[in-house]
Amino acid sequence: GENVEQHPSTLSVQEGDSAVIKCTYSDSASNYFPWYKQELGKGPQLIIDIRSNVGEKKDQRIAVTLNKTAKHFSLHITETQPEDSAVYFCAATADKLIFGTGTRLQVFP
Amino acid sequence: DTAVSQTPKYLVTQMGNDKSIKCEQNLGHDTMYWYKQDSKKFLKIMFSYNNKELIINETVPNRFSPKSPDKAHLNLHINSLELGDSAVYFCASSQGLATGELFFGEGSRLTVL
Repeated sequence: GENVEQHPSTLSVQEGDSAVIKCTYSDSASNYFPWYKQELGKGPQLIIDIRSNVGEKKDQRIAVTLNKTAKHFSLHITETQPEDSAVYFCAATADKLIFGTGTRLQVFP
Repeated sequence: DTAVSQTPKYLVTQMGNDKSIKCEQNLGHDTMYWYKQDSKKFLKIMFSYNNKELIINETVPNRFSPKSPDKAHLNLHINSLELGDSAVYFCASSQGLATGELFFGEGSRLTVL
């Protein structure tokens, strides 16, 4: 079955800096790669996703890249703000959504 | 109007007891899920139902029994609770199985003493 690894587990940045979170997946049949943000005491919420026929997608300060050959995908957040502080999960799916282990991002003012 | 709602939000109980968590979605989705999030924040799928039919049943002890009376509801019953069952349980829904956005509830924190 699918296995998703995520790094780093914690990430601290200064406000205004960029943050990058990386994931790898194992199942070459996976074709959908969403990213979720989980704020304290809440359920995860989709922030951006990418499908296997696209290499990059951007939405304002957030971008995701996908390298199908290497089975890597990454989340890039530019101009980070304190409200970006949360736990971020990558995920991959062929027949079911498997989540990575999460990255706790802290943005210091 | 909450899209995916779970009750109760908090549940504290003794080992050996039986408890249920209820979930309802008003998004008109045909697929619902239960995920377990442990103390390290790992999110693991437990079950998935599509149109009231069990689609995914991960290696979960049979003390856990999901029930879907209709497309909008997916409940989770847990028998003979153990300390290791302490976690946050998330209900989610989507249109289609694993093909698009999952909408999560706010979670139900279960503490077994």
